[in-house]
Amino acid sequence: DGGITQSPKYLFRKEGQNVTLSCEQNLNHDAMYWYRQDPGQGLRLIYYSQIVNDFQKGDIAEGYSVSREKKESFPLTVTSAQKNPTAFYLCASMDRGPGNTIYFGEGSWLTVV
Amino acid sequence: AQRVTQPEKLLSVFKGAPVELKCNYSYSGSPELFWYVQYSRQRLQLLLRHISRESIKGFTADLNKGETSFHLKKPFAQEEDSAMYYCALGAAGNKLTFGGGTRVLVKP
Repeated sequence: DGGITQSPKYLFRKEGQNVTLSCEQNLNHDAMYWYRQDPGQGLRLIYYSQIVNDFQKGDIAEGYSVSREKKESFPLTVTSAQKNPTAFYLCASMDRGPGNTIYFGEGSWLTVV
Repeated sequence: AQRVTQPEKLLSVFKGAPVELKCNYSYSGSPELFWYVQYSRQRLQLLLRHISRESIKGFTADLNKGETSFHLKKPFAQEEDSAMYYCALGAAGNKLTFGGGTRVLVKP
């Protein structure tokens, strides 16, 4: 079954701890994305990657880090520096080129306790 | 910098009434515009994109570069259209920016 898989779906973290969210795709897509979805604020871009071993900061990158060592994987680490980490996180991927469709994962809920 | 604005957070219409979701963007280059929809308990998915000039589920959207708008319209709303709708802007380097979203509620 092709698509994007995010794990875990639900995650609890203690304040001061780093946590890594997994995102894997088997669509052979070059570009991958991480968004944060908060009520009333829509989707805000955290990081994106156009190709392996390359990534760029989005609009709200502070307190987050990513890596892109493999084409199919784009993990997101929420660090202790992120002041308000409790949110719903969405991963997505897309073939490179204009007008192509972006496909989303099911999302991961992160709660800081 | 690129930005997408959806001024309405909530649109409530009766079944059979027209519905229009507003989307305005700012971008200095040549934009690619999309509408995405998220139905209850489902993944966010593409509804339509401006380059295709298509009608999906009765929805259409026209890119107006003069007004920097990409409003989504449907002449007769159905209850199954109740969902969250996001306008998105694709820019150079594959950066994709979303608006804040509009929740549509179609009442029977």
